[in-house]
Amino acid sequence: GAVVSQHPSWVICKSGTSVKIECRSLDFQATTMFWYRQFPKQSLMLMATSNEGSKATYEQGVEKDKFLINHASLTLSTLTVTSAHPEDSSFYICSARDTASGWEQFFGPGTRLTVL
Amino acid sequence: AQSVAQPEDQVNVAEGNPLTVKCTYSVSGNPYLFWYVQYPNRGLQFLLKYITGDNLVKGSYGFEAEFNKSQTSFHLKKPSALVSDSALYFCAVRKNFNKFYFGSGTKLNVKP
Repeated sequence: GAVVSQHPSWVICKSGTSVKIECRSLDFQATTMFWYRQFPKQSLMLMATSNEGSKATYEQGVEKDKFLINHASLTLSTLTVTSAHPEDSSFYICSARDTASGWEQFFGPGTRLTVL
Repeated sequence: AQSVAQPEDQVNVAEGNPLTVKCTYSVSGNPYLFWYVQYPNRGLQFLLKYITGDNLVKGSYGFEAEFNKSQTSFHLKKPSALVSDSALYFCAVRKNFNKFYFGSGTKLNVKP
């Protein structure tokens, strides 16, 4: 089946630093990837839609300058949390839409970010 | 407006008993509905989906869900629960441009 990986699986950083999270579709091409954020014991909140070769589309209330998204290839999207603060600590999950199947999305294992 | 609602934060069942995890939706037109399961510190695993056709959908690990248009519901069910089914379950709806919107999640506890 289709596999989506995320790297790193967990990261701890100091307040004010930037952190990059990678999302890769390992065995399929994904023109569209999605980034979600999940707080403890809460649901996934869609942050943005990442489109290969174009700018990401952000959901209302998500700061585009803080959460930089780059989708440079059909198998890789990156989320960079800039100038991270403790309130950015969360579980970040990406999903990738299989271009061939049209609608189906496959989710990555998530990245746990802790900002000290 | 909330698209998907999961009214129960937690469901407790005994192993071997049937389980139901509730989900209601509020989208116009024909909804595309999904169930996912999440184990601690893991991503989401797809269980099943309803796109069109038979209202009773069978999915992975013995789970099934029934689409009820009149009640706008898509409850997840399993005839006989296993302890290993204990996890967090999310109902989701696919809306414009393939965006998924998730319910608040229901924690399922299956006790031996």
